Amino acid sequence: DQQVKQNSPSLSVQEGRISILNCDYTNSMFDYFLWYKKYPAEGPTFLISISSIKDKNEDGRFTVFLNKSAKHLSLHIVPSQPGDSAVYFCAASAGSGNTPLVFGKGTRLSVIA
Amino acid sequence: GAGVSQTPSNKVTEKGKYVELRCDPISGHTALYWYRQSLGQGPEFLIYFQGTGAADDSGLPNDRFFAVRPEGSVSTLKIQRTERGDSAVYLCASSFGVPDEQFFGPGTRLTVL
Repeated sequence: DQQVKQNSPSLSVQEGRISILNCDYTNSMFDYFLWYKKYPAEGPTFLISISSIKDKNEDGRFTVFLNKSAKHLSLHIVPSQPGDSAVYFCAASAGSGNTPLVFGKGTRLSVIA
Repeated sequence: GAGVSQTPSNKVTEKGKYVELRCDPISGHTALYWYRQSLGQGPEFLIYFQGTGAADDSGLPNDRFFAVRPEGSVSTLKIQRTERGDSAVYLCASSFGVPDEQFFGPGTRLTVL
């Protein structure tokens, strides 16, 4: 059973608009959440994270929102740029510190110029 | 210095053969992780080292898979009697300090014919 779910395999957005990528989780022990971005033939690159004690974290064009009661998080990218086109993975862990990550299947974002 | 490196970048082998995949983590990172990513899936945890010891090997699929990190730096993932189902991209990540911000290498694409 998947503990981290990204139900949209793909998303297309026009350049300049907002991209919203969603992620749901089932394990209530998860207390740290991360988003990774992956280009073809490269490893995932860390983008932004959020601890369960927060409900929002912002870094430039990227904002992550966490709704613990709904076990849902989302990544907002605004404005979207063509270089943002990649696969985005949501990941979660059950303990701050060095612990293995549980990943979703990813969402492929295409930003159209 | 440099990021996480993995060798080889591609490995093609025949069913039943033995393979070794190498990971060089970022210098100073104490934690090292191995993940496996199959087509259309997110990375799946295999094993995690803290220093030289395997802190968690619960993700290894069976006893054909083994990993070592003898000096607390470079790690080798070993797969015996390879099967076609072992074909995947094997990712290595390392971390130090920031909770759960793991830095990934580019991966080794293993193809078992």
